[in-house]
Amino acid sequence: DIVVTQSPDSLAVSLGERATINCRSSQSVLYNSNNKHYLAWYQHKSGQPPKLLIYWASTRESGVPDRFSGSGSGTDFTLTISNLQAEDVAVYYCQQYYSTPWTFGQGTKVEIK
Amino acid sequence: EVQLVESGGVLVQPGGSLRLSCAASGFTFSSYWMSWVRQAPGKGLEWVANTKQDGSEIHYVDSVKGRFTISRDNAKNSLYLQMNSLRAEDTAVYYCARESVGGGGKLDRWGQGTLVTVSS
Repeated sequence: DIVVTQSPDSLAVSLGERATINCRSSQSVLYNSNNKHYLAWYQHKSGQPPKLLIYWASTRESGVPDRFSGSGSGTDFTLTISNLQAEDVAVYYCQQYYSTPWTFGQGTKVEIK
Repeated sequence: EVQLVESGGVLVQPGGSLRLSCAASGFTFSSYWMSWVRQAPGKGLEWVANTKQDGSEIHYVDSVKGRFTISRDNAKNSLYLQMNSLRAEDTAVYYCARESVGGGGKLDRWGQGTLVTVSS
C-alpha cells in the first residue's frame, strides 16, 4: 500500500497570509503513460462532507477559489492557500489514487492565528 | 444537482451486521465508479471499498476484507455496504462518494455520511 504523510499536523495562519501544507507519498504517483500525478487534495469542514479541491496534483476543481493551488511531482506535493480567509478553517487531506487501496494523509488542521 | 444520501447507520453490538445504503440522484449513476470512505471519531479519512460501474471489479482495504461487501443496483441508483462481524474499530461516519470520470479515484461528490457505532 502507498503510505501518504502530511506535514504539519496543524498550523495557525493570520488572515490574509499564506498557508502551506506538504504531502509525501511512499512511492511515485506519476503514471508515465499520461504524465499525470494521481494526487488529490480535499477540504473537510466540521459537520460537512469532504470537498474535492485539487486533482492531478495541480488542477483546481470547478468552483474552487484560485487562492487554492497545488504543486509538486513524484512523491512530494504541496497545497498552498494564499490570502487565507476565515472560511478556510478546516482539515485538509491529500489522497493518492494511483493504486488501491486509495490512501489519505493523516490531515492538517488549519486555524486562524 | 448531484445528491448522495446515505442511510442505515445505527448502534450495533460487536459481531453484529449492518447494511448501509446510498441513494444517488442528479447524475447517471451507472456511469461512475463509487466508493465508501469512513472517518472514525477524532481520526482521519479512510477509504473502505469501491466498485466499478457494472460491479464487475471491486476493491477493499485490507482491514475489511472478508467482512464487508460493497454492491450496487444501477436500476435503483443505489450503492450498498454490507458489514458483517463488526468490531469496535469499525465505529465511524461512513460516506458514500462518487469517483470522478477521467481515470482514478478522485472523489468529486460526497454524501453527508451516516454514523455507525459498534458497542455493547
